[in-house]
Amino acid sequence: GESVGLHLPTLSVQEGDNSIINCAYSNSASDYFIWYKQESGKGPQFIIDIRSNMDKRQGQRVTVLLNKTVKHLSLQIAATQPGDSAVYFCAENPNNAGNMLTFGGGTRLMVKP
Amino acid sequence: KAGVTQTPRYLIKTRGQQVTLSCSPISGHRSVSWYQQTPGQGLQFLFEYFSETQRNKGNFPGRFSGRQFSNSRSEMNVSTLELGDSALYLCASSSRLAGDTQYFGPGTRLTVL
Repeated sequence: GESVGLHLPTLSVQEGDNSIINCAYSNSASDYFIWYKQESGKGPQFIIDIRSNMDKRQGQRVTVLLNKTVKHLSLQIAATQPGDSAVYFCAENPNNAGNMLTFGGGTRLMVKP
Repeated sequence: KAGVTQTPRYLIKTRGQQVTLSCSPISGHRSVSWYQQTPGQGLQFLFEYFSETQRNKGNFPGRFSGRQFSNSRSEMNVSTLELGDSALYLCASSSRLAGDTQYFGPGTRLTVL
C-alpha cells in the first residue's frame, strides 16, 4: 500500500532554535493530515492537523505547511524547548469513509540545552 | 474530560495463548480505532469500529479481531499468539463533532514469550 514518509531520521537542535520536521506522502487522494508527538512510554499526542483545502495552519508555537503539488508536509516548531524532545509522526487519512490513518516512520527530535 | 484509557498497560503471554485488550474512549466519542506499533513496522492500522460495527480493517490476519459495545468501549483479541505479535497496541477514539481527530490512549505493551 501507499505510505507516508517511511524513514526515521534524527533532528538535533539547540534549545531556542526553530525546528522543521518534514514528511512526504504518496496518496494524492488524502485530504486530512495530522502531526503527532510521541514521548517514550506514551501514546501519540495530537499536535496539529490540516485539511487539503488549506496550505498552512498555525497553533501555539507550531505551524503545519502542506504542499499538495509535491505531496509534502512539514511541521515547524518555534523556540524549541527540551520538552519538545520526542518522536514526531505525520499521518494521513486516505479513507473518506472512516478513520484509518497511515503513519510515516517518524522523526526523532533531540533538543540540546 | 478523561482521555482514552487502555487496560491492561502491560501483558506477558506465551506463544499459542490468546489475549484480550480493552479500550475506553473519550466520553461522547463513537469511533474507536486500533493500531499496532513495532520498531520494525512502525504504526499500523488494525481496525476501526463505529456504532458497534467494524467500519475499516487493516491488513492483518484473522487472528486479530475486535468488537465494540453499545457504550463505545472496545476490545481487541489476538488468538494463537506468535512472537511477532509483541508490540505496543494503541487505541484511539474520535468524534465527528470534534473533527474526527483521533486521540490516543497510552497503549498496552504486549510481550509474547
